[in-house]
Amino acid sequence: GNSVTQMEGPVTLSEEAFLTINCTYTATGYPSLFWYVQYPGEGLQLLLKATKADDKGSNKGFEATYRKETTSFHLEKGSVQVSDSAVYFCALQRNQGGSEKLVFGKGTKLTVNP
Amino acid sequence: NAGVMQNPRHLVRRRGQEARLRCSPMKGHSHVYWYRQLPEEGLKFMVYLQKENIIDESGMPKERFSAEFPKEGPSILRIQQVVRGDSAAYFCASSPVTSALGDTQYFGPGTRLTVL
Repeated sequence: GNSVTQMEGPVTLSEEAFLTINCTYTATGYPSLFWYVQYPGEGLQLLLKATKADDKGSNKGFEATYRKETTSFHLEKGSVQVSDSAVYFCALQRNQGGSEKLVFGKGTKLTVNP
Repeated sequence: NAGVMQNPRHLVRRRGQEARLRCSPMKGHSHVYWYRQLPEEGLKFMVYLQKENIIDESGMPKERFSAEFPKEGPSILRIQQVVRGDSAAYFCASSPVTSALGDTQYFGPGTRLTVL
């Protein structure tokens, strides 16, 4: 079946440090891949997405490249800020029987200290 | 353009009571997804609905849980005879009518259900 594996957290960084959160997936066919971010007490917000191999999604300084050969979609940011502290979820989406449900990883909690 | 709305934001029920969670999708969206987030876990798909139709309920528990999305009004997730294990955050997401692969799902703020 379809599944997503994320690096376990929590991750604690100092401001301006480099961030990588690893994400790998298992799926048949060609899923779309997403990163969502959840701030405390809130719902999920789309951070970025990629719909085909070698696509790079980017937003707010975050980037992730869809690597089909390694089935990965690692999230990176060159210089994190305190405001980036949140939980990050990697997810995949495949059309199965007309349903585009999302399959999520367990999430990685990021804390950025000043 | 208002986002996805969910109410109530917090709901407390005693064991055996019923919980009704409401979701109003974004304007122009006719596809609704419900997900459940258990403590320290990722979100798990429950059900996918279009207006007046359940398209995929493969993630719904077989008993006590039901969902609807009527022609008029919000989508409702109903949990009968709640148990402590139902305590979780329930999120609704909506997507536009095209609903092609790669279409973004927009999430509401969630309803946090606590069963005493």
